[in-house]
Amino acid sequence: QQQVKQSPQSLIVQKGGISIINCAYENTAFDYFPWYQQFPGKGPALLIAIRPDVSEKKEGRFTISFNKSAKQFSLHIMDSQPGDSATYFCAASWGGNFNKFYFGSGTKLNVKP
Amino acid sequence: GAVVSQHPSWVICKSGTSVKIECRSLDFQATTMFWYRQFPKQSLMLMATSNEGSKATYEQGVEKDKFLINHASLTLSTLTVTSAHPEDSSFYICSAGTVTRGYEQYFGPGTRLTVT
Repeated sequence: QQQVKQSPQSLIVQKGGISIINCAYENTAFDYFPWYQQFPGKGPALLIAIRPDVSEKKEGRFTISFNKSAKQFSLHIMDSQPGDSATYFCAASWGGNFNKFYFGSGTKLNVKP
Repeated sequence: GAVVSQHPSWVICKSGTSVKIECRSLDFQATTMFWYRQFPKQSLMLMATSNEGSKATYEQGVEKDKFLINHASLTLSTLTVTSAHPEDSSFYICSAGTVTRGYEQYFGPGTRLTVT
């Protein structure tokens, strides 16, 4: 059973546009939702994370929107740049489980110049 | 802060041999380390969770005798792939976490294993 479902699988956005990636989860015990960026041949790097007590968190061009009732959260990349082209993973965890992360399937973002 | 290193970054070994991958937390003490496996264009698959000084907890379907994990200190965990076969070729990534830094996991740069 996939704990976190991510969409779309791939995304093409023009430079300057907004990239939106969505994730949905089932386990209401999850209380930590990070987003990771991964370039080919590299390990994932944390972009931004949110806890369920807030509905939105913004860090620079990256924003997480969180909808607790719908059990969904999304990543918005404003003013997308070619350097943002990478694979993005959402994840979810709960503190009582050794911080084990459940990852989404990933979204490959391609920002066209 | 929160830097995690892996060594080697890539390794080629012959079928039937064993290979060891090291994961180190450089600037913090990691109470928990995780080992992931990632196939091309796929997500990270958790293999096992290890806590310092105790046996690793393996995910369902991961062979304990094939993927030996040791977490001997708060800054070092090792993954040994025993009797490697070509199907073990993959990208192996470790991450480390600590209670003092909350929920976050800090990922290493990964190790590319190719078994010929």
